[in-house]
Amino acid sequence: DVKVTQSSRYLVKRTGEKVFLECVQDMDHENMFWYRQDPGLGLRLIYFSYDVKMKEKGDIPEGYSVSREKKERFSLILESASTNQTSMYLCASSDFTGPYEQYFGPGTRLTVT
Amino acid sequence: AQKITQTQPGMFVQEKEAVTLDCTYDTSDPSYGLFWYKQPSSGEMIFLIYQGSYDQQNATEGRYSLNFQKARKSANLVISASQLGDSAMYFCAMRITGGGNKLTFGTGTQLKVEL
Repeated sequence: DVKVTQSSRYLVKRTGEKVFLECVQDMDHENMFWYRQDPGLGLRLIYFSYDVKMKEKGDIPEGYSVSREKKERFSLILESASTNQTSMYLCASSDFTGPYEQYFGPGTRLTVT
Repeated sequence: AQKITQTQPGMFVQEKEAVTLDCTYDTSDPSYGLFWYKQPSSGEMIFLIYQGSYDQQNATEGRYSLNFQKARKSANLVISASQLGDSAMYFCAMRITGGGNKLTFGTGTQLKVEL
């Protein structure tokens, strides 16, 4: 079974703090993704990576950065957390072979106060 | 740009009945894939079913089937014989070939199965 783990289920941070969300997958997948999920908006792609040290902006990259130094690990960084970044963050991974379904981690519910 | 529309924010269905969750999509790319995911209250996203744009037959996986109508650009999920455990949020998503395998998601439909 594919397993995607995220460093925390719940996180509370203060405005202006630097926040790291970590994601690890154990299936040797090339592709990894970070989404945020907000009520009524569904999942929105923040960043994705198709290889080590490669990254691509998604639909809402502003205020975020990412790091992928190893194939199995994809980190999301909030350089200076703001209250509008309070959300559920979901990490996912997928293989390069079809049908490319994404496997998701359990999510991190981040609250910025 | 591609878009997924789910027009039903919430649905109710009685146990053992069938239910259809609507999904329409918009893309000019001829090659794409459509996915449905289930998200129970615990939060994890569970992959349910996939349909490729060139697949001739509608996809089925157990009690789940995908009613794919290409001309209408719709990919509705049909759940047969609903169970209490089917109560969850359901998301439709689309992948564009060559788009880095990223998915575009709809806003979801909250399904509640009642006794």
